[in-house]
Amino acid sequence: SQTIHQWPATLVQPVGSPLSLECTVEGTSNPNLYWYRQAAGRGLQLLFYSVGIGQISSEVPQNLSASRPQDRQFILSSKKLLLSDSGFYLCAWSPKFHEQYFGPGTRLTVT
Amino acid sequence: KQEVTQIPAALSVPEGENLVLNCSFTDSAIYNLQWFRQDPGKGLTSLLLIQSSQREQTSGRLNASLDKSSGRSTLYIAASQPGDSATYLCAGGSGNTGKLIFGQGTTLQVKP
Repeated sequence: SQTIHQWPATLVQPVGSPLSLECTVEGTSNPNLYWYRQAAGRGLQLLFYSVGIGQISSEVPQNLSASRPQDRQFILSSKKLLLSDSGFYLCAWSPKFHEQYFGPGTRLTVT
Repeated sequence: KQEVTQIPAALSVPEGENLVLNCSFTDSAIYNLQWFRQDPGKGLTSLLLIQSSQREQTSGRLNASLDKSSGRSTLYIAASQPGDSATYLCAGGSGNTGKLIFGQGTTLQVKP
């Protein structure tokens, strides 16, 4: 069966510091991968998605970036965090279009 | 452009009641409709996936239906329990990007 991991589970970072969140999927190959952000009291916002290694599509212009160095690894990064980057970050994988499965999430607090 | 709406935003019911959560979408050319559950501070758990050729799916006390012509999906929860308290989200996909469009969710509270 497939499993999706995210780490860290929680993170507290000062404004201006860098960020690296990691997502890995087990038990499948060539999945579509997605990064979402869920701000307090708001819905899910799709940030990036990837249909293959090195293929990243950005949905929202911001100071975040994503990379997919390996088939089942998806990384969300920032060079300098802003207060507005605080939120709950969710990674999801998809075996095929229009069907997604989510990881446990990372709670990021920027202070 | 696909838009997904869930009404009501919040619902409180006594334990044991049968209930229906509603989800509406604007693009009838929807491929799949997926229902999720989210507990506070947790990720989304997939409950049911209704593929475009299907009209409903069942899992235990949950039953989800899809009516593409009317742009509606419903999630029926039978004999609700306090453990069912969570936020329920529906999401639909259309177009050729593989992306899901999410509703804002319905927060359910089942009182003992």
